Amino acid sequence: ETGVTQTPRHLVMGMTNKKSLKCEQHLGHNAMYWYKQSAKKPLELMFVYSLEERVENNSVPSRFSPECPNSSHLFLHLHTLQPEDSALYLCASSQGGRNEQFFGPGTRLTVL
Amino acid sequence: AQSVTQPDIHITVSEGASLELRCNYSYGATPYLFWYVQSPGQGLQLLLKYFSGDTLVQGIKGFEAEFKRSQSSFNLRKPSVHWSDAAEYFCAVGAHGFQKLVFGTGTRLLVSP
Repeated sequence: ETGVTQTPRHLVMGMTNKKSLKCEQHLGHNAMYWYKQSAKKPLELMFVYSLEERVENNSVPSRFSPECPNSSHLFLHLHTLQPEDSALYLCASSQGGRNEQFFGPGTRLTVL
Repeated sequence: AQSVTQPDIHITVSEGASLELRCNYSYGATPYLFWYVQSPGQGLQLLLKYFSGDTLVQGIKGFEAEFKRSQSSFNLRKPSVHWSDAAEYFCAVGAHGFQKLVFGTGTRLLVSP
């Protein structure tokens, strides 16, 4: 595997389910990000992890819970989501402070 | 705070014609600037970046962009568009020494035969 991978690529869940999104980066980077991409809206930065420590949480509802067990892996745990949470969730990684971020293919989430 | 404006939501260009996508940013110092491309159902791919130095930067797939400080712009250009260039293009600005990127709302490029 190369670059940034995300699994699953597609996920359909009910509002009472619990699921997790997984992201893995194979680039040796030390920062990882979760973004939400909804139709007709700019990319929304959700969480930033730098050296496995969360450095940003953009007022994301608590039904989204990130986890970064090491510098290569990032998870987004989901529970009791709402239909408006349906979106493409993108993971990215970068090295240091030069902001050049590399993105995964995303997980298309549908909440019924 | 940084912000990015992409004034064109959609642009249609004939195959073989030239392309220019507009991007204006707001930031108090010299920014880091990026253009990304997104094909349907895919993640974002970095086309090119500006950190410092030469204001005309070359990227992948024949794209280039010019940083104009006086106009706070970073427009993306390509001399001859191919049908495979149809996608959504995002401009982004980042602050030095900080990892946050701010993205524009994107421009969808349609290529007509």
